[in-house]
Amino acid sequence: EPEVTQTPSHQVTQMGQEVILRCVPISNHLYFYWYRQILGQKVEFLVSFYNNEISEKSEIFDDQFSVERPDGSNFTLKIRSTKLEDSAMYFCASSEQGANTGELFFGEGSRLTVL
Amino acid sequence: GNSVTQMEGPVTLSEEAFLTINCTYTATGYPSLFWYVQYPGEGLQLLLKATKADDKGSNKGFEATYRKETTSFHLEKGSVQVSDSAVYFCALKGQGGKLIFGQGTELSVKP
Repeated sequence: EPEVTQTPSHQVTQMGQEVILRCVPISNHLYFYWYRQILGQKVEFLVSFYNNEISEKSEIFDDQFSVERPDGSNFTLKIRSTKLEDSAMYFCASSEQGANTGELFFGEGSRLTVL
Repeated sequence: GNSVTQMEGPVTLSEEAFLTINCTYTATGYPSLFWYVQYPGEGLQLLLKATKADDKGSNKGFEATYRKETTSFHLEKGSVQVSDSAVYFCALKGQGGKLIFGQGTELSVKP
């Protein structure tokens, strides 16, 4: 069964460092998303991406964050200068369609720990 | 704006007990509603969904009915198992395409 894959599964970094989280969405999907879950809290929307541009972003997704689809398969989330409060599980998701009926398929997440 | 509210956890049940996890939503238009499950140490998996009013989603013995009149999508299972221990997230998806999650409800099933 096709699945969304994410790397790394866990990354530890120092405050102020740049981090890139990588995702390989399901191959025929066109809509891509990043979510984050701070430990013990709800899953929060960060950004959606379609047709090589951001469709929507949340207030969390400030200038420190960026997304890119550098080739036909990868979808990356970059945090330019990490802060302690960026420590969270980051989930990538993809969907075949953007309509409200389209199911999102999630990866297993990348845990980011900022020290 | 759109939002989802779930009953707070943790919920602790004995094996074979009946489960209800309440979920209510606020939305404009006609969203689709979902339940996702997160097993310990794993990602989010779709459990079931309903795309219009009065639809019932079901999977693995879990059910939820899309109730427009009460703006609810409560999750139920007649007889839970230890393997059902997980965090359950109610979510809605509007026309914009993004999924909005509730805060999650942790379920712990004891043998």
